[in-house]
This record gives sequence, structure tokens and C-alpha cells, in this order.
Amino acid sequence: GEDVEQSLFLSVREGDSSVINCTYTDSSSTYLYWYKQEPGAGLQLLTYIFSNMDMKQDQRLTVLLNKKDKHLSLRIADTQTGDSAIYFCAEKTGSQGGKLIFGQGTELSVKP
Amino acid sequence: DAGITQSPRHKVTETGTPVTLRCHQTENHRYMYWYRQDPGHGLRLIHYSYGVKDTDKGEVSDGYSVSRSKTEDFLLTLESATSSQTSVYFCAISESGTLNTEAFFGQGTRLTVV
Repeated sequence: GEDVEQSLFLSVREGDSSVINCTYTDSSSTYLYWYKQEPGAGLQLLTYIFSNMDMKQDQRLTVLLNKKDKHLSLRIADTQTGDSAIYFCAEKTGSQGGKLIFGQGTELSVKP
Repeated sequence: DAGITQSPRHKVTETGTPVTLRCHQTENHRYMYWYRQDPGHGLRLIHYSYGVKDTDKGEVSDGYSVSRSKTEDFLLTLESATSSQTSVYFCAISESGTLNTEAFFGQGTRLTVV
């Protein structure tokens, strides 16, 4: 089974906040990443957080980490149509040899 | 953008034929990875390399082989293509294998096996 889980779809209106959720299973020291994939393109790193942090903010992006529940979220403030894409959560742990393990991806649709 | 080039970008091939995908980097990064992307599965690791001639299997390596004869090139070969290998293939590179090192992705190769 998958080690990283995400819901597959999210639809929001332009100007609203979007919250994309992710759960992971590996409790060893972990970096957790958010990638964005626009149609027909590769993956672009948005942000990452180490598992000893609770929150990280970068302009419109806020990452929240609940270590107890192994739950990660990405909040996009003032969502724009250009934010429409697939967002991937990924974990990188020592127990996996430093390899990235991805979730299924959440397709964000932003309606005007 | 990191200097990663995947070729070809699109390919249609017949069942049973061998296919080789190429990943070329100009960053001199030590680690290179091949992933496949399928709906509902996200990206799954096929093989990776941690140096010239040093490779290891990922979670979905059956039916695939890789070679890395020089730092800049990482080849993925489907020895006898099957319809289940229809997918989008992504190459990624990373300067090291440490946990906080960013991975950069290529643009992808869309492979269709008919």
C-alpha cells in the first residue's frame, strides 16, 4: 500500500483559501515536501518542512505539520486560477534510503 | 531551471519491442532517478543511481533495467514493452542523497505501448 495518502480532487473559487491535506506513515526523521505539477510539465518544488517543525510560511503558502497524527497540510491563500495544478505531497526518510515517496496527488481546480 | 533533458518526449511503441528512454543532466549531480506517473498512484520509483555504474531498484522495477556509464546520462530500458508500461516517465536529479537535498525533475516522457 501507499505510504503517503492524499485526496484526489479539490475545487475552490478564485480568492478563497485552498487547503490540501496529506497523511504519511514513516515516523523516523523525515523531510516532507510539496510539489506542483502544471499540465504537461514536470514537478516543481514549492516548499518543504522538517518533521521537528510545526509550521512554515512562504508568501501565500503555509505548511502545517501535526506530528502526532502524521498529517501535513498546504494552505494557499488568495487562490488564483494560475494555482490550478496537481499538488504532490512527498516524504523523504532515512528508512527509505533517502528516496522520495509520493502521494497520489491532489488536483486543484480554481474557478473564477 | 535545472539542466535536465529527457528524450524522447513522446513515443508510441508496439508490445514486445524494447524501448530506451534517456535522461541527460548538465548539473553534475550524483543522484539520478526514474519515476513513472499513473493516475491514482502519484509517482512511483522505478530505479535510481547514486553514481556511475551504481544503481538500485525502486518499488516498481520489474520489466525495467537502467544503466549509467557516465555522470550525465541515465538510461531506462523496457526490455519487452507491455501495455501496463504505458505511462509518463520522469527523470529526477539530486546533488546528494541526504534528506534535505532538493530533487529536480525533467519534463517527462509520455510512452504509449499499443
